Parts: sequence; structure tokens; C-alpha cells
Amino acid sequence: EVQLVESGGGLIQPGGSLRLSCAASGFTFSSYWMHWVRQVPGKGLVWVARINSDGSTTRNADSVKGRFTISRDNAKNTLYLQMNSLRAEDTAIYYCARNLRIGGYDVYYLDYWGQGIVVTVSS
Amino acid sequence: EIVLTQSPATLSLSPGERVTLSCRASQTLSNSLAWYQQKPGQAPRLLIYDASNRAIGIPARFSGSGSGTDFTLTISSVEPEDFAVYYCQQRSNWPLTFGGGTKVEIK
Repeated sequence: EVQLVESGGGLIQPGGSLRLSCAASGFTFSSYWMHWVRQVPGKGLVWVARINSDGSTTRNADSVKGRFTISRDNAKNTLYLQMNSLRAEDTAIYYCARNLRIGGYDVYYLDYWGQGIVVTVSS
Repeated sequence: EIVLTQSPATLSLSPGERVTLSCRASQTLSNSLAWYQQKPGQAPRLLIYDASNRAIGIPARFSGSGSGTDFTLTISSVEPEDFAVYYCQQRSNWPLTFGGGTKVEIK
């Protein structure tokens, strides 16, 4: 069974840093691209960042560029999101999600999601 | 960035009814669109990818259609467990973007 479990969230002051983790199990983690998506409670979904299977390429949304870094440790089956210079508008539920693979090809839809972790940026 | 506009914002209906949700893109997507379902307190679940392909384990009452800029998700006969928020998502261009969602609620 595919499982994605986020951790590391919490309350942080504006300007602070936080690192989210996403522990993966039930599939060959090193074969899949991964994403972070966030959602303000009661609002819509916003894609944040993605990383390819070996961690060599990443891409971020403009809203977090220069502040957030996605990374992974395939030996530990873990995805990370390092969040620096946090702002109030970064307050959200953060989901890690697996990229869909069809016939061996990476197709940029999200087929499994974690349960989400709350990040609150407030003084 | 590609903007996805979903309509209506809310739909009120009874179990057993047929429902059609709309997603319109600001640029052509070919068929590069997915649909997700999200229930309160839960993560989204992938329903449909590439406009019309059901994801693993998704019941046949869910179907998707469309191409270019106009897409539709249809639930042929709404079950009690289908009351939720539905989002569309495009993969045609980076960044990946989602629509604002349509809430399907019980009348």
C-alpha cells in the first residue's frame, strides 16, 4: 500500500525557517517524481514544487522561488521541503504527492497524496 | 500561467441525480487535464487523467470528456459518498495549476 506521511509542520514566526519531511513507503520511491502542493483551509490547491526521481532537477512556483527548496533522500525514502523567509501567506496545509507514471512515463498528475501537515506563520 | 475556471462554484443535488462539472482553460491544453475529488479533512484523490482516463479504483460512474479549453466531469448517478469538492488540474505548462473547485452538496 502506498503511504506518504508528512511531518515537521507547526507554528513559526515570520522570517523563520521550517523543514517539512514526507516519508514514503509501499512503492519504489527512487523511481518517482514527487511534488509539494499547499492549500489554505477552505481554499483551493496550489502547486509548490517538484523534483525528479534522482533529485537532479527541481522546479518551484514563482511564489516560493528563492525561499523554498525541494530535495529528497532516496536511501531514506524521504522527500523534503526546506522553507526559509516564511511569510504569513505561506500559512497552509502542505501535501506531498507522488507523480503519476503511465507505461514508464512520468505524467504530471498526482496519484497519491499524504494526509497533509499544517504550517502556520504568525507572530 | 494557465488559469482554470470551474463552474458552477456550488451544485446542490440529490443522490441518484446526474451531475456535470465544467472546467475551462485560459489556453489550449490538448487533453492534459485531470480531475480530483476532495472530502473535508482529506487529501485530494485523483479521479480522471488526460481528460477521460479513470484512475485506478475509480468507479465507472465517473467520466471525463473534453479537449482544448473546455472539459467536463460527469457523475452519472451521484452516490452519498460523492458529495465533495472537485478540482481540475492542467499539466500542459509549468507551473501546474488547479481550478478553484466545484462543491457538490446535498440538496
